[in-house]
Amino acid sequence: DTEVTQTPKHLVMGMTNKKSLKCEQHMGHRAMYWYKQKAKKPPELMFVYSYEKLSINESVPSRFSPECPNSSLLNLHLHALQPEDSALYLCASSHGTGREEAFFGQGTRLTVV
Amino acid sequence: EDQVTQSPEALRLQEGESSSLNCSYTVSGLRGLFWYRQDPGKGPEFLFTLYSAGEEKEKERLKATLTKKESFLHITAPKPEDSATYLCAVQAPDSWGKLQFGAGTQVVVTP
Repeated sequence: DTEVTQTPKHLVMGMTNKKSLKCEQHMGHRAMYWYKQKAKKPPELMFVYSYEKLSINESVPSRFSPECPNSSLLNLHLHALQPEDSALYLCASSHGTGREEAFFGQGTRLTVV
Repeated sequence: EDQVTQSPEALRLQEGESSSLNCSYTVSGLRGLFWYRQDPGKGPEFLFTLYSAGEEKEKERLKATLTKKESFLHITAPKPEDSATYLCAVQAPDSWGKLQFGAGTQVVVTP
């Protein structure tokens, strides 16, 4: 089973709202990722968690706050977003050796109004 | 700076018309090269991992190959359901967990 589940599938939020994106995997993977993908562009890495610790932050604005409560769950907390933050947000996971394929969820389509 | 370049940007094929997609990279000491398929509005679906030059992987109508500077994804006798954007991604030696994606090739297969 190579499934990564993301909720919600769609989210519309105002610029003053606070919302969270959720991601879950039950493959025993120890690395989890957040990517952002704009239309017609490839995914761009935002954060990497390795063994539940934040290992990479690609200079992402603080209005995006990741959290890894346990090895199966990954959250992305959103606050005071801008319309240009509208995008497909993808969660992924991998075994954790740093040299293997990542499996992606179906994404959350975020629209900031 | 490491670069990943995919060509062509778009490819229109007749059903059954075989073709190849290219992914060239400038990374030295490649840790891995990955191919994904992405349907509109969905997350990328993993296809293949290649680690060393000369390696080949196959799955149904798809075959991926790797040389020291590029990878090819061959689509043999494609069907309309093979229509998608195909992404390649590389991992450099000093970039644990970081995939650098190419811009993708959008493939449309018509009946």
